[in-house]
Amino acid sequence: QKEVEQDPGPLSVPEGAIVSLNCTYSNSAFQYFMWYRQYSRKGPELLMYTYSSGNKEDGRFTAQVDKSSKYISLFIRDSQPSDSATYLCAMSRTDKLIFGTGTRLQVFP
Amino acid sequence: DVKVTQSSRYLVKRTGEKVFLECVQDMDHENMFWYRQDPGLGLRLIYFSYDVKMKEKGDIPEGYSVSREKKERFSLILESASTNQTSMYLCASSPGARGADTQYFGPGTRLTVL
Repeated sequence: QKEVEQDPGPLSVPEGAIVSLNCTYSNSAFQYFMWYRQYSRKGPELLMYTYSSGNKEDGRFTAQVDKSSKYISLFIRDSQPSDSATYLCAMSRTDKLIFGTGTRLQVFP
Repeated sequence: DVKVTQSSRYLVKRTGEKVFLECVQDMDHENMFWYRQDPGLGLRLIYFSYDVKMKEKGDIPEGYSVSREKKERFSLILESASTNQTSMYLCASSPGARGADTQYFGPGTRLTVL
């Protein structure tokens, strides 16, 4: 079993939709949780960072962590075609980051 | 802003060639990493370094070596390139405790080995 599981998609939604991206994990030692966005043929860029259970909001993006269920989510409100990318979750334990395989999102006009 | 640069965006090499991939970061980060990214497999850690002249194996070090002579520069070396090393190579750096802190990525090098 992988330490971090992420549905690869693709997820295709119309512009303006609310998008929910999710990851589950098995290791309760994970302390910090991140979301990266990766456009085609580019490197991943950090989108959100959180270290506790609950919600963190940044503009149209909300990161949610539920440590009791070992589940993290990224919500995108009012999605735009420019949000079309692959979204990777990442989690840290004491020695390294563990990445999900990424969910490909397409927002069509 | 953190900036991580990689020497080439696209590279085509022949089987058996020695390949050098260079990475430079400008934020005085202690830690640097090399990953490869393949469809369906995600990011896999090849090597990382916590300090100058230090290196540690990641999850898939076979066929690769690294060099870190200066804090800002981390090189990945494919000693004898093979077709199964065709991939996207990503360099990253982070400021924090070992590998557990947020990592900042370069734009990637898409390597094709013929």
